[in-house]
Amino acid sequence: KAGVTQTPRYLIKTRGQQVTLSCSPISGHRSVSWYQQTPGQGLQFLFEYFSETQRNKGNFPGRFSGRQFSNSRSEMNVSTLELGDSALYLCASSPVASGTSTFYNEQFFGPGTRLTVL
Amino acid sequence: AQSVTQLDSQVPVFEEAPVELRCNYSSSVSVYLFWYVQYPNQGLQLLLKYLSGSTLVKGINGFEAEFNKSQTSFHLRKPSVHISDTAEYFCAVRDIQGAQKLVFGQGTRLTINP
Repeated sequence: KAGVTQTPRYLIKTRGQQVTLSCSPISGHRSVSWYQQTPGQGLQFLFEYFSETQRNKGNFPGRFSGRQFSNSRSEMNVSTLELGDSALYLCASSPVASGTSTFYNEQFFGPGTRLTVL
Repeated sequence: AQSVTQLDSQVPVFEEAPVELRCNYSSSVSVYLFWYVQYPNQGLQLLLKYLSGSTLVKGINGFEAEFNKSQTSFHLRKPSVHISDTAEYFCAVRDIQGAQKLVFGQGTRLTINP
C-alpha cells in the first residue's frame, strides 16, 4: 500500500500571498489530520477532516482553512501569508475519525510540505 | 488539557552506549502515549505506543519505553545505540475517548558520536 503523499514537498511564497497544500491519505483511510511544525512552537495540531467534514480544530487563526474531498484527499489553505507561517506542514491519515471507535486507530504521517515565506 | 514535557532538548551519546530520552505528561483524562522519530527532511515514524496492559512496551529499531502512571512518565530507552539512530524524537499523548489530535513534546535531538 502506498503511504501518505503530500504535494508539493517544497514551496516558497512571499508575504501576503496565499498557498494551498495537498494531502492524499493511504487508500481506504477516511480521516486526515494536519499539523504545523516550527522550531519555536514545535508540532501543533491544525485540524482533522472526516467524510468531508471538519471534526476538530486547533488554535490557529481563520487564515488557516482546509477541506476534504469525496475521495478523502485533503487540502489546506493559508491566506495572507506571514513570515511566521514558515513551517513544515504534516498530514496524517487514519482509517476512522476520532470519537467513532473505542479501539485505537493509528495515524500515519506523510513526509510533509516545507513552506518558506519570504 | 494535555501537555507533554521532554526534559532534554539535546542528547549526545557515543555509539554502542545506552540512552534514555525522558518524557513527562500531564492530563486530566486517560491517554494513549507515543514516541515518534523524525529523520532529516522526513515525516514522523511511529517507534512505539502504549495503549493499555503491560507498562513496558517494545518498539522498532530496538527501542522500548516504560509507562509509569504514578510519575506520569513515558521514558524511551535503547541499550546500545547506532549512528543511524541520530534523529529527533517526539513524545506524544492522545485522549483515548476524544479528539484524534496528538499533543507533542518539543522534541529531543539525539546525536550519536562514533
